[in-house]
Amino acid sequence: AQRVTQPEKLLSVFKGAPVELKCNYSYSGSPELFWYVQYSRQRLQLLLRHISRESIKGFTADLNKGETSFHLKKPFAQEEDSAMYYCALKLKGAQKLVFGQGTRLTINP
Amino acid sequence: KAGVTQTPRYLIKTRGQQVTLSCSPISGHRSVSWYQQTPGQGLQFLFEYFSETQRNKGNFPGRFSGRQFSNSRSEMNVSTLELGDSALYLCASSFDSNTGELFFGEGSRLTVL
Repeated sequence: AQRVTQPEKLLSVFKGAPVELKCNYSYSGSPELFWYVQYSRQRLQLLLRHISRESIKGFTADLNKGETSFHLKKPFAQEEDSAMYYCALKLKGAQKLVFGQGTRLTINP
Repeated sequence: KAGVTQTPRYLIKTRGQQVTLSCSPISGHRSVSWYQQTPGQGLQFLFEYFSETQRNKGNFPGRFSGRQFSNSRSEMNVSTLELGDSALYLCASSFDSNTGELFFGEGSRLTVL
């Protein structure tokens, strides 16, 4: 069965420190992975997807098929990065996302 | 461009009643998906519609149903409400049916008493 695990419910780091939000997945097919973010009082929105291999707001995420992971990283955290982050797995051939439970990231000044 | 609009934003129902939630996608988007969000289960996929056809369905009982109209607007219905149906129901739209890039609405918060 497909599953996405985000082991940390809460993550707190200081401004300027590196950030890594962990995401592991279980899927027998070829995975498509995404990170979605929800800032305070805003709607859930796409942050980045592994296919595009881009950096958004300084965040990057690399798909590691050997470790079945898709960790989100940023070298220097900023206060505006405080938000709820969700890792999501898209099932092949379907517009269906399986979400992790989310990690609440807090950046301390 | 206007975002995904969901109505009503909040509603309270009692057990046994039924409820209909509405979603207007971004103009030009033909795919509409519905998710249920609860503190315990997180975000769970309900179903997806594309060009008025249900393409995918999640693991929810038959009390949960939906439809999509020719203008891509979608509704979901929950009949015989149970306490456990209390949740935030999120609608998301996308231009295509296989991108994974979803644009979410603010949700409809349903409380069942």
